[in-house]
Amino acid sequence: EPEVTQTPSHQVTQMGQEVILRCVPISNHLYFYWYRQILGQKVEFLVSFYNNEISEKSEIFDDQFSVERPDGSNFTLKIRSTKLEDSAMYFCASSERGVGKMNTEAFFGQGTRLTVV
Amino acid sequence: GNSVTQMEGPVTLSEEAFLTINCTYTATGYPSLFWYVQYPGEGLQLLLKATKADDKGSNKGFEATYRKETTSFHLEKGSVQVSDSAVYFCALRWNYGQNFVFGPGTRLSVLP
Repeated sequence: EPEVTQTPSHQVTQMGQEVILRCVPISNHLYFYWYRQILGQKVEFLVSFYNNEISEKSEIFDDQFSVERPDGSNFTLKIRSTKLEDSAMYFCASSERGVGKMNTEAFFGQGTRLTVV
Repeated sequence: GNSVTQMEGPVTLSEEAFLTINCTYTATGYPSLFWYVQYPGEGLQLLLKATKADDKGSNKGFEATYRKETTSFHLEKGSVQVSDSAVYFCALRWNYGQNFVFGPGTRLSVLP
């Protein structure tokens, strides 16, 4: 069964360093998403991406964050200068259809646990 | 704004007990409603969904009915198993929107 894969499963980084979280969405999907879950808190939307551009983003997704689909298969989330409060589980998701379509479930990856020290 | 509220956990049950995890939402209009499950060490998996009022989603013995009048989507299972131990997330999504709004999650532990 097709699945969304994320690497690495766990990343430890020093405050101020740049990190790149990687995701391989399901191959025929068109919409891609990043969510995060701070330990013990709810899952929060960060950004959605379609047709090589951001289609929607939340307040959390500030100038320190960026997304890219560099090669047609990977979908990356970059945090330029990590802060302690960026420590969280980051989930990538993809869906086959998006805006204007009903029943568009999203498939989630296993997540990357980012720890900023 | 749109929000999802779930009962606080953790919920601890004995095997074969009846499970209810309450979920209510606040939203304008009629979103689609979902339950996602997160098993230990794994990502979010869709458990079931309902896209309109009075729809019942079901999967693996779990059920939830979309109740517009009470803005609820409570998750139920008649007889839980140890393997059901996980965190359960209620979520809503607009039919014509993109991002999910998740509840805080409810951790379920089932004891043998």
